[in-house]
Amino acid sequence: DVKVTQSSRYLVKRTGEKVFLECVQDMDHENMFWYRQDPGLGLRLIYFSYDVKMKEKGDIPEGYSVSREKKERFSLILESASTNQTSMYLCASALRSNEQFFGPGTRLTVL
Amino acid sequence: AQRVTQPEKLLSVFKGAPVELKCNYSYSGSPELFWYVQYSRQRLQLLLRHISRESIKGFTADLNKGETSFHLKKPFAQEEDSAMYYCALESFQKLVFGTGTRLLVSP
Repeated sequence: DVKVTQSSRYLVKRTGEKVFLECVQDMDHENMFWYRQDPGLGLRLIYFSYDVKMKEKGDIPEGYSVSREKKERFSLILESASTNQTSMYLCASALRSNEQFFGPGTRLTVL
Repeated sequence: AQRVTQPEKLLSVFKGAPVELKCNYSYSGSPELFWYVQYSRQRLQLLLRHISRESIKGFTADLNKGETSFHLKKPFAQEEDSAMYYCALESFQKLVFGTGTRLLVSP
């Protein structure tokens, strides 16, 4: 079974803090994705990566950056957290164009 | 631009009733479409994809290119079908998701 894990299930941070969300997959997938999930808005793609050290902007990259130094790990960084970044963050991985496998999510609250 | 529309935020039915969750898309080209499901306290997972033409947990979805639709159907809903359902369209190895429909099946 593909396993996608995320470093935290719940996270509470203060406005202006730098926040790191980590995602690790164990199936040697090339593609990894970060989404945020908000009620009424569905899943929106923040950033994705097709390979190590490669990154592409998704639909809502503002206020976020990413890092992919190793194939299995894809990090989402909030340089200066703001209250409008309070959300559920989902990581996913996929073998090229195939099914995406999702992590359990990190519920981030920014106070 | 690619877009997926799920017009219903909430669909509430009784156990044993037929279910149809609507999905319409806009895409220039030959689309690949998916339904993902998220049960309570579980991670989002693939339910079915149109190219496999499978029936999963009694659900089916037919791609209608003329109506640009990919509606999800089940003839007899079960309580365990209660979940959040997302329709998604693949574009350049990325998925474009709809806003989701919450299905509530009451006993």
